[in-house]
Amino acid sequence: AQSVSQHNHHVILSEAASLELGCNYSYGGTVNLFWYVQYPGQHLQLLLKYFSGDPLVKGIKGFEAEFIKSKFSFNLRKPSVQWSDTAEYFCAARTGYQKVTFGTGTKLQVIP
Amino acid sequence: DTAVSQTPKYLVTQMGNDKSIKCEQNLGHDTMYWYKQDSKKFLKIMFSYNNKELIINETVPNRFSPKSPDKAHLNLHINSLELGDSAVYFCASSLRETEAFFGQGTRLTVV
Repeated sequence: AQSVSQHNHHVILSEAASLELGCNYSYGGTVNLFWYVQYPGQHLQLLLKYFSGDPLVKGIKGFEAEFIKSKFSFNLRKPSVQWSDTAEYFCAARTGYQKVTFGTGTKLQVIP
Repeated sequence: DTAVSQTPKYLVTQMGNDKSIKCEQNLGHDTMYWYKQDSKKFLKIMFSYNNKELIINETVPNRFSPKSPDKAHLNLHINSLELGDSAVYFCASSLRETEAFFGQGTRLTVV
């Protein structure tokens, strides 16, 4: 069965630190990958997506992610985090017809 | 505003009651979803409809019944509410295999 794993459950960083959140999926076929962000008390918003082409994807707010097919990974990165990046981050994968599976989420806390 | 909107935003009800959550999207999408987010923030898909037809029905109790009167609406009816149904329910929509857009969520509390 398709699954998405996020190994970092809670990450605490100081402002200006670099961020990398891990995401691995288990599916051998064609996969679409997403990172969503959920700010406290709000709904999920799309940060970036990968469908095909350049495996390095740039999203909003300075985030980027790299699709590494051989590692089944789609890690999220940001060179310098801000306090306003404090949120829950979800990796998701779509395989098959319209079924999107989410990871368990990573809570990011940025300390001023 | 173009969006996915769901009502109500908050719902507090007693065990055993029946309640509905409504969802509407004006994005022209052909696929709509219901997700449940538990207290640990885990998101699990419940249902997916494409052009009013049910295409995904995960292992959800029969007490949960989705209804899609048209492509722009997907309502969720819950019978005989239980304490364990307390969660945040998110409606979402997408166009074919593009990314999903989420509603603001409905926080359901069963007491």
